[in-house]
Amino acid sequence: KAGVTQTPRYLIKTRGQQVTLSCSPISGHRSVSWYQQTPGQGLQFLFEYFSETQRNKGNFPGRFSGRQFSNSRSEMNVSTLELGDSALYLCASNSGGAGSYNEQFFGPGTRLTVL
Amino acid sequence: QKEVEQDPGPLSVPEGAIVSLNCTYSNSAFQYFMWYRQYSRKGPELLMYTYSSGNKEDGRFTAQVDKSSKYISLFIRDSQPSDSATYLCAMRKTSGSARQLTFGSGTQLTVLP
Repeated sequence: KAGVTQTPRYLIKTRGQQVTLSCSPISGHRSVSWYQQTPGQGLQFLFEYFSETQRNKGNFPGRFSGRQFSNSRSEMNVSTLELGDSALYLCASNSGGAGSYNEQFFGPGTRLTVL
Repeated sequence: QKEVEQDPGPLSVPEGAIVSLNCTYSNSAFQYFMWYRQYSRKGPELLMYTYSSGNKEDGRFTAQVDKSSKYISLFIRDSQPSDSATYLCAMRKTSGSARQLTFGSGTQLTVLP
């Protein structure tokens, strides 16, 4: 099976702009979670989508949003970018089935730099 | 105070050494525990997960959980240069936000040939 894919891999934006990141989960997986990874805060949970519905949200401002499509692909959007949004954004794929919650597989991430 | 604490290292050991990586946590709601390995410029890779207190072995890796002390460990036997990476502990609860993982800050390990 192909792994989790994320596009683009690298992105440079300026303050005030908005950005959209994409994640394609493992085929057959229905749950996609997003995490932000920074040197200072480590990996922090952003939100999770399952069957096109946001099931859980972390402690991030409303500038961070996401959605999931019927084919389980997910996008996250960050509006009005700030310098502190520079990070590696990771998505994790999970089948969503009972008993599978421990098996979450991460993509390579999108490295966002805000200038 | 963070819910999960992990010694950031860096940790440097000679090839063949036994490596011990540790995390402590404060929230007893955490019931499932994972270890991830992350190479530079890559996403985290799931190594193993465990639920109950005790040991779980997978090849050269052993995960240990002590729920009474809220302490988890990962042991790597016969460490290899290819084990050089950042190791992240992660844990999750069983209800509500069941798929949400809470991570430690990661320990950077270097195995010297």
